[in-house]
Amino acid sequence: NAGVMQNPRHLVRRRGQEARLRCSPMKGHSHVYWYRQLPEEGLKFMVYLQKENIIDESGMPKERFSAEFPKEGPSILRIQQVVRGDSAAYFCASSPSSYNSPLHFGNGTRLTVT
Amino acid sequence: AQTVTQSQPEMSVQEAETVTLSCTYDTSESDYYLFWYKQPPSRQMILVIRQEAYKQQNATENRFSVNFQKAAKSFSLKISDSQLGDAAMYFCAYRGNTPLVFGKGTRLSVIA
Repeated sequence: NAGVMQNPRHLVRRRGQEARLRCSPMKGHSHVYWYRQLPEEGLKFMVYLQKENIIDESGMPKERFSAEFPKEGPSILRIQQVVRGDSAAYFCASSPSSYNSPLHFGNGTRLTVT
Repeated sequence: AQTVTQSQPEMSVQEAETVTLSCTYDTSESDYYLFWYKQPPSRQMILVIRQEAYKQQNATENRFSVNFQKAAKSFSLKISDSQLGDAAMYFCAYRGNTPLVFGKGTRLSVIA
């Protein structure tokens, strides 16, 4: 049973470009969460999605960031017009149900904006 | 909003000794879950141990155990017989009716 798969592992973008981060949840998991980790910091919640629905996006910046979890395919975190401050590790996690299930994390995508 | 505080940015322990990592949290919810995650240099987030707030008995997983004090809102992690592979960042996390909230982490070094 494969774990949560994130790709790419590393992503380098120049300022102003778009970044697309992909996450395939564990088999049987329908809940996906995205977190951002700045250097020497804990993980900060960004967005919580179920298939085709955004449940909680209270941690998402209002501009340039968007997320989706289509009926078919992986969840995508999209960052438009990246800036240096977007450089961070972005983690995806999944769970089979709502809040009482532990989250299973992917290995993260490290985004570097040059 | 729920907050999680880890007051020890760094800790160190001799191999084979015991170390305790502190965590406190703030919440008005009565039903919630607490977790400790380990993040080695590989960056992978590994679930170490989990505690349901309604359970009075402290959770234990092999060399890892917790001291859960619900009234004090304290959730410390004890690592017994420390091994070199235990060196990592350790994050305390809270989950109630909101997605998982993390503390800032404690970096644990294990000295051979």
